[in-house]
Amino acid sequence: GAVVSQHPSRVICKSGTSVKIECRSLDFQATTMFWYRQFPKKSLMLMATSNEGSKATYEQGVEKDKFLINHASLTLSTLTVTSAHPEDSSFYICSAAGERSYEQYFGPGTRLTVT
Amino acid sequence: EDQVTQSPEALRLQEGESSSLNCSYTVSGLRGLFWYRQDPGKGPEFLFTLYSAGEEKEKERLKATLTKKESFLHITAPKPEDSATYLCAVQVSGYSTLTFGKGTMLLVSP
Repeated sequence: GAVVSQHPSRVICKSGTSVKIECRSLDFQATTMFWYRQFPKKSLMLMATSNEGSKATYEQGVEKDKFLINHASLTLSTLTVTSAHPEDSSFYICSAAGERSYEQYFGPGTRLTVT
Repeated sequence: EDQVTQSPEALRLQEGESSSLNCSYTVSGLRGLFWYRQDPGKGPEFLFTLYSAGEEKEKERLKATLTKKESFLHITAPKPEDSATYLCAVQVSGYSTLTFGKGTMLLVSP
């Protein structure tokens, strides 16, 4: 149980375009979903927390207009990187937690490369 | 400010050579301490949650323990497939977010 999927696993886009990453909880209802960013050989950096049907809460320094998060249902959250630039290239990982669990389960990650 | 420090940064072991990874933390009101394993290019895989000092949990060759200041991940007779980065994270009471340490990169040689 507690499986989280992400799509796509890898994406390459041109500078100035937007990219959408999907995160799905496959076998449980995720009341809270989290989006992280990870740089090579670094730990996870929390970008934002989202609750189903509510606006996301962004961490300090994360541009909410650049990283749009939508948590439309209890099994789906999306992260849209708008007007992507090469410095947005990174490994993006989502996680999900159920209503009665403090434990976060992570997706496999999405490697974004902006050229 | 909540802090999580993992040591060592990297550890190289021979197959069968047992050792321990350390996670020391400074938080105001610990709700839980989490251990994850992360393979290169993949998301973290959940291993354990520890909630109170004195608690221990085991899974195959791994055993996690918790005190009021630190947690240890003991690896008994490791195998090459145990090679990965092990991440420790804390959750503070009243919050759902996790604060991660920088991880310990473990390499087990045959």
